[in-house]
Amino acid sequence: QITLKESGPTLVKPTQTLTLTCTFSGFSLSTSGVGVGWIRQPPGKALEWLALIYWNDDKRYSPSLKSRLTITKDTSKNQVVLTMTNMDPVDTATYYCAHVLIVGPFDYWGQGTLVTVSS
Amino acid sequence: QSALTQPASVSGSPGQSITISCTGTSSDVGGYNYVSWYQQHPGKAPKLMIYDVSNRPSGVSNRFSGSKSGNTASLTISGLQAEDEADYYCSSYTSSSSFVFGTGTKVTVL
Repeated sequence: QITLKESGPTLVKPTQTLTLTCTFSGFSLSTSGVGVGWIRQPPGKALEWLALIYWNDDKRYSPSLKSRLTITKDTSKNQVVLTMTNMDPVDTATYYCAHVLIVGPFDYWGQGTLVTVSS
Repeated sequence: QSALTQPASVSGSPGQSITISCTGTSSDVGGYNYVSWYQQHPGKAPKLMIYDVSNRPSGVSNRFSGSKSGNTASLTISGLQAEDEADYYCSSYTSSSSFVFGTGTKVTVL
């Protein structure tokens, strides 16, 4: 079965760079049509799509955050890494990774990891 | 892109039907049949309930149904049950080959 799990720091300081890793099993990111996306959710607020990487290394970013985000994949390790620069307290959120097909949906989700931005 | 617009809350009594709307634009909801709906219980990850406007994944109750008209998609929950009390989010593929989520709706079972 498909599983995903996010890992990374729980606390980062303002202006630092956040690096999150999504480790998955049950599928391969070398399979045509497959992708892994990142979505975040500030406490008590709505989901926000951040970025997505496809099997062919095509990458998509949220227009509002594009300048701060980088998504990469390591197919051999079954991992996807998201980096977000210049972190701010408003970036405090639970960050999820999810399995996705070309035009969606996000059909399998990780459990999420809470990242707090504070000095 | 702006978040899709959903009502902040919807409520109903057990056994009733409720409908949650999700309004976007011709660049997302109105332009593609790639609208999905997610259920999220407190402290849990979202769960896919509907995809491609009206399709249910295996294991999702047939009490959940989806539809779309123009720039507005809808999720209907029939025979409302206590376990349906949760937050619900819509999502759509967009003309910029990206995704957008809705503002979220809290469903309360009275």
